[in-house]
Amino acid sequence: QVQLVESGGGVAQPGGSLRLSCDVSGFTFRNFGMYWVRQAPGQGLEWVAVVWYDGIRKFYADSVKGRFTVSRDNDNTKVYLEMKSLRVEDTAVYYCAKPGCSHDCYQPPDSWGQGTLVTVSS
Amino acid sequence: QSVLTQPPSMSGAPGQEITISCSGSSSTIGDNFVYWYKQLPGTAPTLLIYRNNQRASGVPDRFSGSKSGTSAFLAISGLRSDDEADYLCSSWDDKLSGPVFGGGTKVTVL
Repeated sequence: QVQLVESGGGVAQPGGSLRLSCDVSGFTFRNFGMYWVRQAPGQGLEWVAVVWYDGIRKFYADSVKGRFTVSRDNDNTKVYLEMKSLRVEDTAVYYCAKPGCSHDCYQPPDSWGQGTLVTVSS
Repeated sequence: QSVLTQPPSMSGAPGQEITISCSGSSSTIGDNFVYWYKQLPGTAPTLLIYRNNQRASGVPDRFSGSKSGTSAFLAISGLRSDDEADYLCSSWDDKLSGPVFGGGTKVTVL
């Protein structure tokens, strides 16, 4: 079955950096785009970034554009989220998630990891 | 502010039916599929409904989804105590080039 396991969360200072990873298994990874979605404490879900199956096309929410970079390793079935210039408002649980269809799929996630907590605080 | 609009809370007695709404726009729900999730505190969302009205594996037929224009609906019939949770909707946003979410509806079984 589909398994998504995030890691790399922790505490960072404002202006600092963190790199999140998501280990993926249970489906043909290279055929699917991958999302990062976050949830601030007590808040709703916010899409952060998508990297399409080709690894070339990437899109970001305005709130993280220019600070976060999404990438993928199709050989090792991993997705990454490099986060720089972190702000207090980036504090959230970060989930990696798989879209509901393959290739050029404009649909929400159908599977989620367990999430990793990122806390930005001085 | 969430892109999709849901009522913050709903409640019903055991055995009753409730219907949760999710309102969007022509560039979200109006042009794309809707997914629904159940989320318990401290856990990741789990898929209930995909592509407007398809139940995910293992989801009982007490849960049903529908869509009309720029709104979508999740009906839960035969309410049970273990239906207490947050329910979230999601769709694609053609303008953002990413998925968008509702703020969630907290369901309480009286």
